[in-house]
Amino acid sequence: QVQLQESGPGLVKPSQTLSLTCTVSGGSISSGSYYWSWIRQPAGKGLEWIGRIYTSGSTNYNPSLKSRVTISVDTSKNQFSLKLSSVTAADTAVYYCARVGREGYFDYWGQGTLVTVSS
Amino acid sequence: SYELTQPPSVSVSPGQTARITCSGDALPKQYAYWYQQKPGQAPVLVIYKDSERPSGIPERFSGSSSGTTVTLTISGVQAEDEADYYCQSADSSGTYTVFGGGTKLTVL
Repeated sequence: QVQLQESGPGLVKPSQTLSLTCTVSGGSISSGSYYWSWIRQPAGKGLEWIGRIYTSGSTNYNPSLKSRVTISVDTSKNQFSLKLSSVTAADTAVYYCARVGREGYFDYWGQGTLVTVSS
Repeated sequence: SYELTQPPSVSVSPGQTARITCSGDALPKQYAYWYQQKPGQAPVLVIYKDSERPSGIPERFSGSSSGTTVTLTISGVQAEDEADYYCQSADSSGTYTVFGGGTKLTVL
């Protein structure tokens, strides 16, 4: 059973870079044809797709966030990561990591981690 | 940028049928997926590829597609179905994933 777990600071100052890591267990991040994604959800609001990385390392980002987002993968640690630069209060949200399975949907999700942007 | 449009809220009485729509220009070309999200929890898939139901999801959940609109139907709604529902799809190129704004289903 694949499991995903987000980790990282719960508080980030405005203008700084938000950094989160998703650790995958129960399977190798580099096996199979999967996308590994980040999704966020501000309190009381909807889901927003941030971006994804393929097992080959290729990436796609939400056009509205593209200039500030970097997603990378560390296959040796079975992890993938999110960096979001120049954060503001609008970036305060629960951040989820998730896997896109072969049928095209998010089949495994992390529990989510709340990141608050505040001085 | 590409958007999927859902009604903000739908209300039904127990035992009735709830229909939640999701509209987007690329839906004739791209599959839609539906997720149920309850407070404090990660979303759970209830329909994939427009109308397929994952194992473990009750038969009262069904999906359909017509042109630029997909519909999630919940027949014989139960109190436990009260949740937020999100559609998910992709732009016409398949490059970017998009979520609808979400629909809050209230069981009266």
